[in-house]
Amino acid sequence: EVQLVESGGGLVQPGGSLRLSCAASGFTFSSYEMNWVRQAPGKGLEWISYISNSGNSIHYADSVKGRFFISRDNAKNSLSLQMNSLRAEDTAVYYCARDALRIPRSHDSWGQGTLVIVSS
Amino acid sequence: DIQMTQSPSSLSASIGDRVTITCRASQSISIYLNWYQQKPGKAPNLLIYAASNLQSGVPSRFSGSGSGTDFTLTISSLQPEDFATYYCQESYSVPLEYTFGQGTKLEIK
Repeated sequence: EVQLVESGGGLVQPGGSLRLSCAASGFTFSSYEMNWVRQAPGKGLEWISYISNSGNSIHYADSVKGRFFISRDNAKNSLSLQMNSLRAEDTAVYYCARDALRIPRSHDSWGQGTLVIVSS
Repeated sequence: DIQMTQSPSSLSASIGDRVTITCRASQSISIYLNWYQQKPGKAPNLLIYAASNLQSGVPSRFSGSGSGTDFTLTISSLQPEDFATYYCQESYSVPLEYTFGQGTKLEIK
């Protein structure tokens, strides 16, 4: 069974940093492209970052470019999101999402999410 | 940047109704369009990929159609578990942006 489990969320002050993790199991992690998607309270879904299966290709949404950094450790079946210079508008549930092995791309498996609150 | 616009933003319907949700892209995206269902407090769930392909395990009452800029998600006969929020998403942008629509909340009438 495919499982994605996020961790690392919590309360952080504006300007602070936080590192999210996503532990993957039940599939060959190194074969799959991965993403982070977030959802502010009461709002819609916002894709924020993508990483290829090898880690050689990375993309970010403009809203987080230069502040957030995605990475992966295929040996540990783990995806990470380093979040710096956090703002109140970064408050959201953060999901890791796997891309299906096909084109066009789609997110076929999601974690349960981890809540990040940016507040003083 | 590609903008995705869903209509309506909310919708009330009854059990057994046929329901259609529309998604329009600001430019042609071929068939690079996905649909997700999200229930309160839960992660989204992929329903339809590549505009019209049913994801494994999704009931056949869900269907998708369209290409270019105009797409529809249809639920042929609403069931109690279908009351949720639905999102479309494009995967056409280069570089990748994966823009979502704003969502359509489907409520019980």
